[in-house]
Amino acid sequence: DIQMTQSPSAMSASVGDRVTITCRASQDISNSLAWFQQKPGKVPKRLIYTASSLQSGVPSRFSGSGSGTEFTLTISSLQPEDFATYYCLQHHSYPRTFGQGTQLQIK
Amino acid sequence: EVQLVESGGGLVQSGGSLRLSCAASGFTFSSYDMSWVRQSPGKGLEWLSYISSSGDTTYYADSVKGRFTISRDNAKNSLYLQMNSLRDEDTAIYYCNRGGWLADWGQGSLVTVSS
Repeated sequence: DIQMTQSPSAMSASVGDRVTITCRASQDISNSLAWFQQKPGKVPKRLIYTASSLQSGVPSRFSGSGSGTEFTLTISSLQPEDFATYYCLQHHSYPRTFGQGTQLQIK
Repeated sequence: EVQLVESGGGLVQSGGSLRLSCAASGFTFSSYDMSWVRQSPGKGLEWLSYISSSGDTTYYADSVKGRFTISRDNAKNSLYLQMNSLRDEDTAIYYCNRGGWLADWGQGSLVTVSS
């Protein structure tokens, strides 16, 4: 099975900051990576798929990059509504696997 | 608009069984693969199972293989998850998802396993 390792597991940042979250795969997954955002008590929402494709309706301050084994989610200018937990998911093969999550908190 | 509505959750004793259902609407259900994902209280997301659009192909996480069975009824636009031999660690919110890339999520159904 493919293991997904996210870093950091938690971080704090201020409104307006540029934030980067990293996800590493235990083997080459090409560009088969998605990013999800989950706010407390809410259903997860897909932000990015195939590493860099922005889900319809998601603000352009969110971007994804990477291929192979290393991927990043970048929020270019953090907004108050972006404080949440973010998860990566490899959609290269089954079983699918999520990263452990990154909790983004207000500084 | 895509809608996925889970039902069938509740309180069950350890070792018991439960069947979750997911009613789909707003898209051609028979054309889409489907998946189940769960989230234990205060924990991260865990992918559980996949079924192809025709129902011919299924996959499971090791944690539920042999205990859970995914199925679908395309005539009823419905997805199912039969859960047997439930354990305390199966306590979670269970989400129905459209596609193998988890594009759309239901609101979830809470399953509580009590010993």
